[in-house]
Amino acid sequence: LAKTTQPISMDSYEGQEVNITCSHNNIATNDYITWYQQFPSQGPRFIIQGYKTKVTNEVASLFIPADRKSSTLSLPRVSLSDTAVYYCPFGNQGGKLIFGQGTELSVKP
Amino acid sequence: NAGVTQTPKFQVLKTGQSMTLQCAQDMNHNSMYWYRQDPGMGLRLIYYSASEGTTDKGEVPNGYNVSRLNKREFSLRLESAAPSQTSVYFCASSEGTVYNEQFFGPGTRLTVL
Repeated sequence: LAKTTQPISMDSYEGQEVNITCSHNNIATNDYITWYQQFPSQGPRFIIQGYKTKVTNEVASLFIPADRKSSTLSLPRVSLSDTAVYYCPFGNQGGKLIFGQGTELSVKP
Repeated sequence: NAGVTQTPKFQVLKTGQSMTLQCAQDMNHNSMYWYRQDPGMGLRLIYYSASEGTTDKGEVPNGYNVSRLNKREFSLRLESAAPSQTSVYFCASSEGTVYNEQFFGPGTRLTVL
């Protein structure tokens, strides 16, 4: 069964760069890798998506190695408001997103 | 644009009661999804609709039915609620099924006693 594996939790301090790595078991050739952020009592929010190499937007960077068996979300200079749970689901062309347990990021002052 | 809206926000049911969770989106998206999230867990896909007129099972469809009423609306029905269905239910939509950027609603918190 295809799934993702992430660290359960991470701690950081304001101003630091945070890298969260996700392993993708049995990712298919056509699957894109996406990252979502979820605050308490809210639905997840899309952050970034990629297929391979590096993608950057105004919020984060996504690094995907050539074998695509993992990906790393990089958050530059985190603030307290980045405290959230981060998920790295991947999906097939049917639109099914398989979410793992996520990584709970705690940013401290 | 309101995005994805869900009703109700909260609901308490007794075991065996039925109810329908409503979801609507105003982004003209083709695909819609229902997820459940149990405490401390990730989201699990219940059902999805790739396009108007089609529905498909996700990871945990047992005990649920869905209806894609039109392009905007996708409802989730619990015919006979059970305590194991206590969860937060999220509806989501996306333009298509290939690029996977899904937009989520605020959720419905359901408790079954």
